Amino acid sequence: AQSVTQLGSHVSVSEGALVLLRCNYSSSVPPYLFWYVQYPNQGLQLLLKYTSAATLVKGINGFEAEFKKSETSFHLTKPSAHMSDAAEYFCAVSDRGSTLGRLYFGRGTQLTVWP
Amino acid sequence: NAGVTQTPKFQVLKTGQSMTLQCAQDMNHNSMYWYRQDPGMGLRLIYYSASEGTTDKGEVPNGYNVSRLNKREFSLRLESAAPSQTSVYFCASSEQGNGNTIYFGEGSWLTVV
Repeated sequence: AQSVTQLGSHVSVSEGALVLLRCNYSSSVPPYLFWYVQYPNQGLQLLLKYTSAATLVKGINGFEAEFKKSETSFHLTKPSAHMSDAAEYFCAVSDRGSTLGRLYFGRGTQLTVWP
Repeated sequence: NAGVTQTPKFQVLKTGQSMTLQCAQDMNHNSMYWYRQDPGMGLRLIYYSASEGTTDKGEVPNGYNVSRLNKREFSLRLESAAPSQTSVYFCASSEQGNGNTIYFGEGSWLTVV
């Protein structure tokens, strides 16, 4: 089974500061990679996903993530945090070798944005 | 745009009671999923259905059953609820195959006392 690790269960930044949320996967074959966001009392919403050769993926709300095979990482960044970015973020992977679309989730990172 | 709709949104059960969580999607997706979310654990897959007529166990299937009633609907049943099943449950759906976006419902908050 796939495994994904999110470093840091809580991240706090000031408004306008860089957001960096870390995600590492454990697989010899690079999987499909996803970032989802969850606002309070809501379901999960896709931010971005990596499924092809383009290693820098741009998503919604100004977020982007870079796939680095050598580091088995898919970290999420945003140059300037906004108060509305406060939410929980989940990294997820899907086994590229499988025909099924099931996702394996990390434990999540709660992002707090201070004014 | 309904997307994935799940009911009920909130439910309190007594230990040993049974209940069914209902889920329906209007995106004509073949694949459907039930996840549970617990603090600090992320989302864990309970059951999934790759296509109408098929269901398979995920990571944490014990204590649950599912029914893929038709292409639109995928229900989750707790036959004899236990406090360990207190959780937030999410139904989701996607196109069949890998790498496709999975779309989530808004969640069902279940408390077992």
